[in-house]
Amino acid sequence: AQSVSQHNHHVILSEAASLELGCNYSYGGTVNLFWYVQYPGQHLQLLLKYFSGDPLVKGIKGFEAEFIKSKFSFNLRKPSVQWSDTAEYFCAVTNNAGNMLTFGGGTRLMVKP
Amino acid sequence: KAGVTQTPRYLIKTRGQQVTLSCSPISGHRSVSWYQQTPGQGLQFLFEYFSETQRNKGNFPGRFSGRQFSNSRSEMNVSTLELGDSALYLCASSLYGTVGTDTQYFGPGTRLTVL
Repeated sequence: AQSVSQHNHHVILSEAASLELGCNYSYGGTVNLFWYVQYPGQHLQLLLKYFSGDPLVKGIKGFEAEFIKSKFSFNLRKPSVQWSDTAEYFCAVTNNAGNMLTFGGGTRLMVKP
Repeated sequence: KAGVTQTPRYLIKTRGQQVTLSCSPISGHRSVSWYQQTPGQGLQFLFEYFSETQRNKGNFPGRFSGRQFSNSRSEMNVSTLELGDSALYLCASSLYGTVGTDTQYFGPGTRLTVL
């Protein structure tokens, strides 16, 4: 069975600081990787996804993530956060056996203006 | 194009009752998945339907069931409600139902409270 770990449960940053949120997964086969974001009062939205090819993936709103297969990691990064990035971020995986997303526990990000 | 819609948005039930939640996917989407979100367990997969057939099922008891209609709309049913069923139930739809790589688009959820 696959599992996903997000080690940072809460992160507080000031505007313009750089962001890196950790995501590690456990699965021996091919995985597909996603980052979703949930802004306060809104529903889950896709930030970016990785299926194959270039391991550095760019998403919406200036976010990017790097897939490092040897480390089973898919960390999310943003060079300069804004107050509007305050949200909960979820890493998720599927494998080629099904569309069921396995989510990490989420990271709550608060950006102070 | 309208997003995924879920009805009702809020529900309050008592233990032992049953409940039916509804999900209308994005027009043209054929795959519908359901997830349960709780503070303690996070987001957990319930089941996925594609072309009216259950394709995958998560690790939930048989009290949780679902179905999909020919227009891709889906319903989820929980019978004999327990306090622990209080959660936000999320529906997600995807276009092709391609195994593994489809992007899932989430609805706003139905907040179920069991008293």
